[in-house]
Amino acid sequence: EAGVAQSPRYKIIEKRQSVAFWCNPISGHATLYWYQQILGQGPKLLIQFQNNGVVDDSQLPKDRFSAERLKGVDSTLKIQPAKLEDSAVYLCASSSLAGFYNEQFFGPGTRLTVL
Amino acid sequence: RKEVEQDPGPFNVPEGATVAFNCTYSNSASQSFFWYRQDCRKEPKLLMSVYSSGNEDGRFTAQLNRASQYISLLIRDSKLSDSATYLCVVADNYGQNFVFGPGTRLSVLP
Repeated sequence: EAGVAQSPRYKIIEKRQSVAFWCNPISGHATLYWYQQILGQGPKLLIQFQNNGVVDDSQLPKDRFSAERLKGVDSTLKIQPAKLEDSAVYLCASSSLAGFYNEQFFGPGTRLTVL
Repeated sequence: RKEVEQDPGPFNVPEGATVAFNCTYSNSASQSFFWYRQDCRKEPKLLMSVYSSGNEDGRFTAQLNRASQYISLLIRDSKLSDSATYLCVVADNYGQNFVFGPGTRLSVLP
């Protein structure tokens, strides 16, 4: 079974530029998550989708971050404009259901450096 | 107070040692609990879920104390391959509001 795919793996941009990340979850997984992991910290949930609907985006900085999952499958996360403090690894994860104890499967992440 | 706190680490232990990690959470509404493992520069992977009665998986034992809002992970007979960062995770009963702790790094030394 193919895992969660993410691209690009690495991205270097200058502050105030825009960037987009793509995620393709495990086939059949209804729930998709985007996390931000700053070096030395645990992942922080940015947004959670159930199919193509948002169930939690309380920690998404909506003035600069946006995410969509139009057909309930793959998803994109965009930052516009980027700030230095956005330098982090952006992890996408998926699970079969948003149930009580469903395991999240993570992709390899996109490492973003903002100069 | 942070929502999920963990032992700051790092823990450096010899092979064969027993090591315990502690985690506390502030949201009393949390209903599901997990330990994830993250190798250096890799993605997190589920180690084990933590159930109310406590559970064991080989050398790993997880305990939950709801009254004290405390979760623990015990690793017996440590192996070199156990070297990683261990992340405590809590969520609500709808499978939402996932909060990861900062992680505790373990180095098992030969």
